[in-house]
Amino acid sequence: ETGVTQTPRHLVMGMTNKKSLKCEQHLGHNAMYWYKQSAKKPLELMFVYSLEERVENNSVPSRFSPECPNSSHLFLHLHTLQPEDSALYLCASSLRGPYITEAFFGQGTRLTVV
Amino acid sequence: QKEVEQNSGPLSVPEGAIASLNCTYSDRVSQSFFWYRQYSGKSPELIMSIYSNGDKEDGRFTAQLNKASQYVSLLIRDSQPSDSATYLCAVNEGDSSYKLIFGSGTRLLVRP
Repeated sequence: ETGVTQTPRHLVMGMTNKKSLKCEQHLGHNAMYWYKQSAKKPLELMFVYSLEERVENNSVPSRFSPECPNSSHLFLHLHTLQPEDSALYLCASSLRGPYITEAFFGQGTRLTVV
Repeated sequence: QKEVEQNSGPLSVPEGAIASLNCTYSDRVSQSFFWYRQYSGKSPELIMSIYSNGDKEDGRFTAQLNKASQYVSLLIRDSQPSDSATYLCAVNEGDSSYKLIFGSGTRLLVRP
């Protein structure tokens, strides 16, 4: 148990559906991240929130929409996804200071778009 | 484009041997370096962090950092079959206090 919890663990959705991924951290961290991990590719940073402000948006298509209502919760809203968006979506959190300290990951959401 | 390079492997070692995993990075001003272990179908698990040149030991794991050569390594002593996994190297980008760049990982196989 890393102190970062993601739900759901698995999600199958059609291309016209709307769904949301949820992440919650209990570590007192002030930065939260969404990463995408596709088969045989490095982890891709999607979004970073620091103190509830989005500080990084890594050219992610608008069909992915993040939301950070407070420093403990992070959402990723999904709509009109494509089959190539099928991947493992990982949430992480860290303590942002003068430099980055350890980032801890949630269990991930395995997303399949049909 | 900042990069973190790792040999994809697989690196195959017998049980009880030392496994040596290597990582190079392109950004000279990076300050934070991490090793994660990822089992198939699972999320990455942090196993080591290192911030200054030299060695850092934690149990069977030793991280080594050489900023001049832009090189970070992970040694696993007395390798066990349960160490078989993909090992990811992560480096902060530049002087960023929040952006981590990951390598593509090295797959380690420990033969019984």
